[in-house]
Amino acid sequence: AQTVTQSQPEMSVQEAETVTLSCTYDTSESDYYLFWYKQPPSRQMILVIRQEAYKQQNATENRFSVNFQKAAKSFSLKISDSQLGDAAMYFCAYLGETSGSRLTFGEGTQLTVNP
Amino acid sequence: GAGVSQSPSNKVTEKGKDVELRCDPISGHTALYWYRQSLGQGLEFLIYFQGNSAPDKSGLPSDRFSAERTGGSVSTLTIQRTQQEDSAVYLCASSTKDRPGYEQYFGPGTRLTVT
Repeated sequence: AQTVTQSQPEMSVQEAETVTLSCTYDTSESDYYLFWYKQPPSRQMILVIRQEAYKQQNATENRFSVNFQKAAKSFSLKISDSQLGDAAMYFCAYLGETSGSRLTFGEGTQLTVNP
Repeated sequence: GAGVSQSPSNKVTEKGKDVELRCDPISGHTALYWYRQSLGQGLEFLIYFQGNSAPDKSGLPSDRFSAERTGGSVSTLTIQRTQQEDSAVYLCASSTKDRPGYEQYFGPGTRLTVT
């Protein structure tokens, strides 16, 4: 079974600075997707960024980028120029070819942005 | 367009009562998922519907939980004889095959409290 681990229950960053959230996963599959979701207090899960395992190039979405290390099974999220609105719970998630389209989530990292 | 909607937003029920939670997916999305988010278990998959195929019920924690999807659209998650450990946020998501990795769009969730 696939597992996703986020080893940082809480992180904090100063506004305008950069922060990196860690995620590791375990799988025997060769084809899969990785996601970072953001969950603000409103509870609405919002997709931040997506990475396809067969693509070597790291995904980037504006201030958000990932460092995808397939051999190390690592998928970290970098948030540049942090904004107050980035404060939320961040979940790393895995979707594999044998997962039946279900997402497997990590435990989450609570990000605080200090003004 | 409209996103995934869920009702009620919050539900308080007494132990032993039955509850029904509703999910309206994004129009045209063929896949629908239920997840549960609780303090002790994190985010866990419950059930998955895809078109007219038999649902994947492998995540349902007990036979007190059931779900149906009528007309390929609206879904209802039913919990019979509720227990205090059922207290959680129940999240619904939908997706289409047109998005890479079948990107899942989440609703705001229903917070269930069993007293």
